Amino acid sequence: ETGVTQTPRHLVMGMTNKKSLKCEQHLGHNAMYWYKQSAKKPLELMFVYSLEERVENNSVPSRFSPECPNSSHLFLHLHTLQPEDSALYLCASSQGRGVNSPLHFGNGTRLTVT
Amino acid sequence: KNEVEQSPQNLTAQEGEFITINCSYSVGISALHWLQQHPGGGIVSLFMLSSGKKKHGRLIATINIQEKHSSLHITASHPRDSAVYICAVRSDSNYQLIWGAGTKLIIKP
Repeated sequence: ETGVTQTPRHLVMGMTNKKSLKCEQHLGHNAMYWYKQSAKKPLELMFVYSLEERVENNSVPSRFSPECPNSSHLFLHLHTLQPEDSALYLCASSQGRGVNSPLHFGNGTRLTVT
Repeated sequence: KNEVEQSPQNLTAQEGEFITINCSYSVGISALHWLQQHPGGGIVSLFMLSSGKKKHGRLIATINIQEKHSSLHITASHPRDSAVYICAVRSDSNYQLIWGAGTKLIIKP
Protein backbone atom coordinates (compact mmCIF):
# COMPACT_ATOMS: atom_id res chain seq x y z
CA GLU A 1 0.00 0.00 0.00
CA THR A 2 1.77 3.11 -1.22
CA GLY A 3 -0.71 5.62 0.20
CA VAL A 4 -1.27 6.92 -3.33
CA THR A 5 -3.54 4.74 -5.47
CA GLN A 6 -3.92 5.12 -9.22
CA THR A 7 -6.52 3.48 -11.43
CA PRO A 8 -6.56 1.94 -13.89
CA ARG A 9 -3.07 0.39 -13.96
CA HIS A 10 -3.25 -0.10 -17.71
CA LEU A 11 -5.35 1.67 -20.34
CA VAL A 12 -5.54 1.19 -24.09
CA MET A 13 -7.58 3.77 -25.95
CA GLY A 14 -8.20 4.88 -29.47
CA MET A 15 -7.50 8.38 -30.65
CA THR A 16 -11.19 9.30 -30.60
CA ASN A 17 -11.97 7.92 -27.13
CA LYS A 18 -12.54 9.83 -23.92
CA LYS A 19 -11.20 8.30 -20.71
CA SER A 20 -10.13 9.44 -17.25
CA LEU A 21 -7.27 8.52 -14.95
CA LYS A 22 -7.92 8.58 -11.22
CA CYS A 23 -5.60 9.20 -8.31
CA GLU A 24 -6.45 8.99 -4.62
CA GLN A 25 -4.14 9.72 -1.72
CA HIS A 26 -4.69 8.55 1.86
CA LEU A 27 -1.83 10.54 3.40
CA GLY A 28 -3.60 13.77 4.30
CA HIS A 29 -1.42 15.73 1.87
CA ASN A 30 -2.46 19.08 0.46
CA ALA A 31 -0.62 19.05 -2.88
CA MET A 32 -1.07 16.66 -5.80
CA TYR A 33 0.78 16.30 -9.08
CA TRP A 34 0.49 14.66 -12.49
CA TYR A 35 3.72 13.56 -14.18
CA LYS A 36 4.30 11.98 -17.61
CA GLN A 37 7.12 9.46 -17.98
CA SER A 38 8.15 8.47 -21.50
CA ALA A 39 10.75 5.81 -22.19
CA LYS A 40 14.31 6.87 -21.35
CA LYS A 41 13.26 10.50 -20.67
CA PRO A 42 13.13 12.45 -17.43
CA LEU A 43 9.80 12.80 -15.69
CA GLU A 44 7.78 15.71 -17.07
CA LEU A 45 5.66 17.69 -14.64
CA MET A 46 2.22 18.28 -16.14
CA PHE A 47 0.03 19.81 -13.44
CA VAL A 48 0.24 20.76 -9.78
CA TYR A 49 -2.68 21.32 -7.44
CA SER A 50 -2.17 22.93 -4.06
CA LEU A 51 -5.14 23.16 -1.70
CA GLU A 52 -7.33 22.08 -4.64
CA GLU A 53 -6.23 25.04 -6.75
CA ARG A 54 -4.24 24.47 -9.93
CA VAL A 55 -0.95 26.27 -9.41
CA GLU A 56 1.07 24.94 -12.33
CA ASN A 57 0.24 23.95 -15.88
CA ASN A 58 3.38 23.23 -17.82
CA SER A 59 2.28 23.92 -21.38
CA VAL A 60 0.30 20.71 -21.53
CA PRO A 61 -1.95 20.26 -24.61
CA SER A 62 -5.64 20.88 -23.98
CA ARG A 63 -6.43 17.25 -24.77
CA PHE A 64 -5.30 16.64 -21.17
CA SER A 65 -7.68 18.16 -18.62
CA PRO A 66 -7.04 17.82 -14.88
CA GLU A 67 -9.63 17.99 -12.12
CA CYS A 68 -9.13 18.13 -8.37
CA PRO A 69 -12.51 17.93 -6.60
CA ASN A 70 -10.94 17.69 -3.13
CA SER A 71 -7.53 17.32 -1.54
CA SER A 72 -7.65 13.51 -1.70
CA HIS A 73 -8.62 13.02 -5.33
CA LEU A 74 -7.11 14.00 -8.65
CA PHE A 75 -8.29 13.13 -12.13
CA LEU A 76 -6.77 13.45 -15.58
CA HIS A 77 -9.39 13.54 -18.31
CA LEU A 78 -8.18 12.43 -21.72
CA HIS A 79 -9.73 13.09 -25.12
CA THR A 80 -8.59 12.86 -28.74
CA LEU A 81 -5.11 11.75 -27.72
CA GLN A 82 -2.24 11.11 -30.10
CA PRO A 83 0.00 8.01 -30.26
CA GLU A 84 2.90 10.08 -28.85
CA ASP A 85 0.85 10.50 -25.66
CA SER A 86 1.47 6.83 -24.89
CA ALA A 87 3.47 6.83 -21.64
CA LEU A 88 3.34 6.06 -17.93
CA TYR A 89 1.29 8.69 -16.10
CA LEU A 90 2.27 9.08 -12.47
CA CYS A 91 0.37 10.80 -9.71
CA ALA A 92 2.17 12.11 -6.63
CA SER A 93 1.27 13.95 -3.47
CA SER A 94 3.12 15.95 -0.84
CA GLN A 95 2.45 17.93 2.30
CA GLY A 96 3.29 21.42 1.18
CA ARG A 97 5.56 22.18 -1.75
CA GLY A 98 8.67 23.28 0.06
CA VAL A 99 12.23 22.01 -0.02
CA ASN A 100 11.59 19.41 2.64
CA SER A 101 8.32 18.08 1.20
CA PRO A 102 9.08 14.69 -0.31
CA LEU A 103 6.83 13.37 -3.05
CA HIS A 104 4.87 10.15 -2.60
CA PHE A 105 4.10 8.43 -5.89
CA GLY A 106 1.42 6.04 -7.05
CA ASN A 107 2.25 3.05 -9.24
CA GLY A 108 1.17 4.85 -12.38
CA THR A 109 -1.19 4.21 -15.27
CA ARG A 110 0.42 2.74 -18.38
CA LEU A 111 -1.42 4.42 -21.27
CA THR A 112 -1.30 3.15 -24.83
CA VAL A 113 -2.95 5.23 -27.56
CA THR A 114 -3.71 3.28 -30.72
CA LYS B 1 21.78 19.08 -22.65
CA ASN B 2 19.75 18.17 -19.57
CA GLU B 3 20.42 20.07 -16.38
CA VAL B 4 20.65 16.70 -14.59
CA GLU B 5 22.71 13.97 -16.22
CA GLN B 6 22.96 10.40 -14.96
CA SER B 7 25.51 7.78 -15.87
CA PRO B 8 25.50 5.07 -16.88
CA GLN B 9 22.13 4.86 -18.63
CA ASN B 10 22.14 1.09 -18.23
CA LEU B 11 24.14 -1.14 -15.91
CA THR B 12 24.19 -4.92 -15.66
CA ALA B 13 26.18 -6.57 -12.88
CA GLN B 14 26.52 -9.86 -11.05
CA GLU B 15 25.05 -10.45 -7.63
CA GLY B 16 27.42 -9.29 -4.93
CA GLU B 17 29.13 -6.57 -6.94
CA PHE B 18 29.60 -3.03 -5.68
CA ILE B 19 27.47 -0.66 -7.75
CA THR B 20 27.98 3.05 -8.39
CA ILE B 21 25.52 5.31 -10.19
CA ASN B 22 26.45 8.91 -10.88
CA CYS B 23 24.50 12.14 -11.11
CA SER B 24 25.86 15.50 -12.30
CA TYR B 25 23.90 18.72 -12.37
CA SER B 26 24.48 22.20 -13.69
CA VAL B 27 22.18 24.38 -11.56
CA GLY B 28 22.27 25.67 -8.01
CA ILE B 29 20.38 23.34 -5.74
CA SER B 30 18.89 23.24 -2.28
CA ALA B 31 18.64 19.44 -2.19
CA LEU B 32 19.27 16.32 -4.26
CA HIS B 33 17.03 13.26 -4.25
CA TRP B 34 17.68 9.66 -5.17
CA LEU B 35 14.61 7.58 -5.97
CA GLN B 36 13.97 3.99 -7.02
CA GLN B 37 11.43 2.85 -9.59
CA HIS B 38 10.58 -0.85 -9.79
CA PRO B 39 9.20 -2.47 -12.96
CA GLY B 40 5.68 -2.06 -11.60
CA GLY B 41 6.07 1.69 -12.04
CA GLY B 42 5.84 3.11 -8.53
CA ILE B 43 8.63 5.43 -7.37
CA VAL B 44 9.93 5.50 -3.83
CA SER B 45 12.27 8.01 -2.28
CA LEU B 46 15.62 6.64 -1.09
CA PHE B 47 17.55 9.71 0.02
CA MET B 48 17.36 13.46 0.22
CA LEU B 49 20.78 15.12 0.51
CA SER B 50 22.05 18.64 0.79
CA SER B 51 25.61 17.81 1.87
CA GLY B 52 27.93 14.97 2.82
CA LYS B 53 26.80 11.39 2.93
CA LYS B 54 23.83 9.28 3.99
CA LYS B 55 23.57 5.54 4.51
CA HIS B 56 20.57 3.25 4.70
CA GLY B 57 21.25 -0.46 4.83
CA ARG B 58 23.32 -1.38 1.76
CA LEU B 59 22.69 1.96 0.08
CA ILE B 60 25.02 4.94 0.41
CA ALA B 61 24.50 8.35 -1.18
CA THR B 62 27.15 11.06 -1.34
CA ILE B 63 27.12 14.58 -2.68
CA ASN B 64 29.88 17.06 -3.55
CA ILE B 65 28.27 20.49 -3.77
CA GLN B 66 31.39 22.19 -5.18
CA GLU B 67 31.68 19.66 -8.01
CA LYS B 68 27.89 19.45 -8.52
CA HIS B 69 28.03 15.68 -8.38
CA SER B 70 26.36 12.91 -6.43
CA SER B 71 26.82 9.16 -6.36
CA LEU B 72 24.58 6.32 -5.24
CA HIS B 73 26.39 3.18 -4.14
CA ILE B 74 24.95 -0.27 -3.52
CA THR B 75 27.07 -2.74 -1.58
CA ALA B 76 26.64 -6.53 -1.91
CA SER B 77 24.13 -6.06 -4.73
CA HIS B 78 21.20 -8.46 -5.02
CA PRO B 79 18.74 -9.25 -7.84
CA ARG B 80 16.01 -7.46 -5.88
CA ASP B 81 18.02 -4.23 -6.33
CA SER B 82 17.16 -4.39 -10.04
CA ALA B 83 15.26 -1.19 -10.77
CA VAL B 84 15.58 2.24 -12.34
CA TYR B 85 17.41 4.70 -10.08
CA ILE B 86 16.49 8.33 -10.60
CA CYS B 87 18.33 11.46 -9.48
CA ALA B 88 16.38 14.71 -9.05
CA VAL B 89 17.55 18.10 -7.82
CA ARG B 90 15.54 20.91 -6.30
CA SER B 91 16.54 24.22 -7.87
CA ASP B 92 17.49 26.90 -5.35
CA SER B 93 16.07 29.62 -7.62
CA ASN B 94 12.51 28.45 -8.28
CA TYR B 95 12.35 25.34 -6.02
CA GLN B 96 11.28 23.19 -8.95
CA LEU B 97 12.35 19.55 -9.13
CA ILE B 98 14.58 18.79 -12.14
CA TRP B 99 14.74 15.12 -13.03
CA GLY B 100 17.43 12.91 -14.49
CA ALA B 101 16.48 10.29 -17.07
CA GLY B 102 17.29 7.40 -14.76
CA THR B 103 19.78 4.53 -14.67
CA LYS B 104 18.40 1.06 -15.35
CA LEU B 105 20.17 -1.46 -13.11
CA ILE B 106 19.97 -5.22 -13.60
CA ILE B 107 21.60 -7.52 -11.07
CA LYS B 108 22.02 -11.08 -12.31
CA PRO B 109 22.05 -14.00 -9.85
